[in-house]
Amino acid sequence: NAGVTQTPKFQVLKTGQSMTLQCAQDMNHEYMSWYRQDPGMGLRLIHYSVGAGITDQGEVPNGYNVSRSTTEDFPLRLLSAAPSQTSVYFCASSYFGGGTGTLGAEAFFGQGTRLTVV
Amino acid sequence: KNEVEQSPQNLTAQEGEFITINCSYSVGISALHWLQQHPGGGIVSLFMLSSGKKKHGRLIATINIQEKHSSLHITASHPRDSAVYICAVKRSDFGNEKLTFGTGTRLTIIP
Repeated sequence: NAGVTQTPKFQVLKTGQSMTLQCAQDMNHEYMSWYRQDPGMGLRLIHYSVGAGITDQGEVPNGYNVSRSTTEDFPLRLLSAAPSQTSVYFCASSYFGGGTGTLGAEAFFGQGTRLTVV
Repeated sequence: KNEVEQSPQNLTAQEGEFITINCSYSVGISALHWLQQHPGGGIVSLFMLSSGKKKHGRLIATINIQEKHSSLHITASHPRDSAVYICAVKRSDFGNEKLTFGTGTRLTIIP
């Protein structure tokens, strides 16, 4: 089925470990983004990309790296996990929204990754 | 004060009731999104609005740019509408890329 595939669904890490959250879409969307969702807070943008080879920081980028070597894939890397990175992570994709690169009229989200750092 | 405020935070209603969820924002915007987060955690985009009103099935979204307010209505509510509904605004500041999200309204429809 077309859409956004995000893996893994659950992950437990020890402090200091690194890992990569995978995100892939098959809709040829230019815009992809990573968000984290914490209790009592709205979704917050970590990093985003407006096309292959182009990435930029969002609201809460520290401790995370991204790359966009292809249109389809936008992995999120945690370099050295910290308990403060315990959260639910969502990847999203859409066509360009209004020309400035945020979510377009029809955005698709992955199923989320529940990450716990102990 | 958050830039995007949703009300109510929690809403419980009987099946068949007309539901209204509100979103108020304090910044200039170029667009507003309504999203639905299912109990399992998945997020679905419902609407993107920049003016007026949009309708999809039993869902209606309206926006009043002058009053900085949007509403999401659900007619003939059903237990499967139980979810968290999230409002997000795209600021109209030049070069500002990010969306600002509300904290969501948890809707529970009782059969």
